Amino acid sequence: EIVLTQSPGTLSLSPGERATLSCRASQSVSSSYLAWYQQKPGQAPGLLIYGASSRATGIPDRFSGTGSGTDFTLTISRLEPGDFAVYYCQQYGSSPYTFGQGTKLEIK
Amino acid sequence: EVQLVESGGGLVQPGGSLRLSCAASGFTFSIYAMTWVRQAPGKGLEWVSSISYSGSSTYYADSVKGRFTISRDNSKNTLYLQMNSLRAEDTAVYYCAKGITMIRGVITTYYYYMDVWGKGTTVTVSS
Repeated sequence: EIVLTQSPGTLSLSPGERATLSCRASQSVSSSYLAWYQQKPGQAPGLLIYGASSRATGIPDRFSGTGSGTDFTLTISRLEPGDFAVYYCQQYGSSPYTFGQGTKLEIK
Repeated sequence: EVQLVESGGGLVQPGGSLRLSCAASGFTFSIYAMTWVRQAPGKGLEWVSSISYSGSSTYYADSVKGRFTISRDNSKNTLYLQMNSLRAEDTAVYYCAKGITMIRGVITTYYYYMDVWGKGTTVTVSS
């Protein structure tokens, strides 16, 4: 089983700042099959990034994903009020298709 | 409109059973893999189980293997999760979610990340 470890657990930033979220895998994620999701309180998660770096439909280019192998990063440039949420990474290269434990992005 | 609507959640005693359903609409259900994801109160997302577009392949988290069964009825556009021998730690909101199918010429590839999610159904296991 691939274990995904996200850091930091909580990130406190102000609107307009840049956020950098990390997702580290316990073993290589095949073909960069790594996705990122955003979840706001009381809502289902929504897809942001797939294939480590491809934005999902309708996702603004302020969101970008990079990485391969075992190290992946989600960057949000110029934070907007609606970006403050919990972010999860998921690997879908091999079953079980595990999630990271999440990073909470909160307003400073 | 692409939509997933879960049902079947509720309160059940430890050791009991429940069957969750997920009704799909607005897309060709039979060509997409489907997944169940759960979220315990105040906790993160946990992948539970996935099923291939045809139902011929199923995958489970170790935490539910042997107790939960995922299935689908493509004629009814419905996904199921049969949950037996329920435990307190199974208490969670259960989401169903749609996978991705990419068709490039004669090659079709199925992916197990999810672009559409239902609102979830709550399962509470307690005496």
